[in-house]
Amino acid sequence: KQEVTQIPAALSVPEGENLVLNCSFTDSAIYNLQWFRQDPGKGLTSLLLIQSSQREQTSGRLNASLDKSSGRSTLYIAASQPGDSATYLCAVEGWTQGGSEKLVFGKGTKLTVNP
Amino acid sequence: GAGVSQSPRYKVAKRGQDVALRCDPISGHVSLFWYQQALGQGPEFLTYFQNEAQLDKSGLPSDRFFAERPEGSVSTLKIQRTQQEDSAVYLCASSQLSGAYGYTFGSGTRLTVV
Repeated sequence: KQEVTQIPAALSVPEGENLVLNCSFTDSAIYNLQWFRQDPGKGLTSLLLIQSSQREQTSGRLNASLDKSSGRSTLYIAASQPGDSATYLCAVEGWTQGGSEKLVFGKGTKLTVNP
Repeated sequence: GAGVSQSPRYKVAKRGQDVALRCDPISGHVSLFWYQQALGQGPEFLTYFQNEAQLDKSGLPSDRFFAERPEGSVSTLKIQRTQQEDSAVYLCASSQLSGAYGYTFGSGTRLTVV
C-alpha cells in the first residue's frame, strides 16, 4: 500500500527566505507526482506535475524535484512571500485496490511566511 | 465551465439525515474522482468514474455512501443516515482520460454532521 509522508508538518519562516518541503513515498512504481497548494477552507490548486520520467519541474519561484528510486520529492520555494502561506500537499499517482489510478496524498506541510 | 464546481459549499446535517453533494467537472473531462478530507489530513480516495461508469468504489467507507454520474458529466455523492464521523470536506476532481496531465480539484463541500 502506497504511503506518502511529508516533513515538516508545519514551518514558519520570515519573508524572503528560501525553503524546502519534503515528501517521501513507499512505492516507487508511480506514474507521476503532483504538488498542490490548499488555502484554508478552499480546494486544491495544482502547482507542479512531475511525470515519472522527469527529474524536476519549475514554475516561477517554485521548483520540484523527483527521485523515484529513493522515493523522494522536494518542493523548493525561493524568496518566500506572505502570500505563499498555505498548506502544501504532495500526491503520487498509483493504483487503487479496485485497479484504477488514483492520487495518494500526504498530510501536508502548513507553511506560514511572516512579514 | 472553466473549473470544477461543487455545491453546496457548506452543509450542516443532523445525524441520521441523508445528504447529496454535487460536482460539475470540467467540460470534456472523462475521469471524475471523489475524495474525502478529514480535518488535518490529506484527501483520501473514495470513488472513480470514467464517463458514466463507476470503475472503482473501493474507497467508499460504508454502504451508506453512494455515487453516480448518469450522463457522464455531473456527479452526485449521496450519504445516507449521516453520522458524525462523516464530517469532512468532500472534494471532487476531474481529468482527461488519464491523470498524466494532472487533476483539477473543486473547492469542496464542507459537511458537518451535528
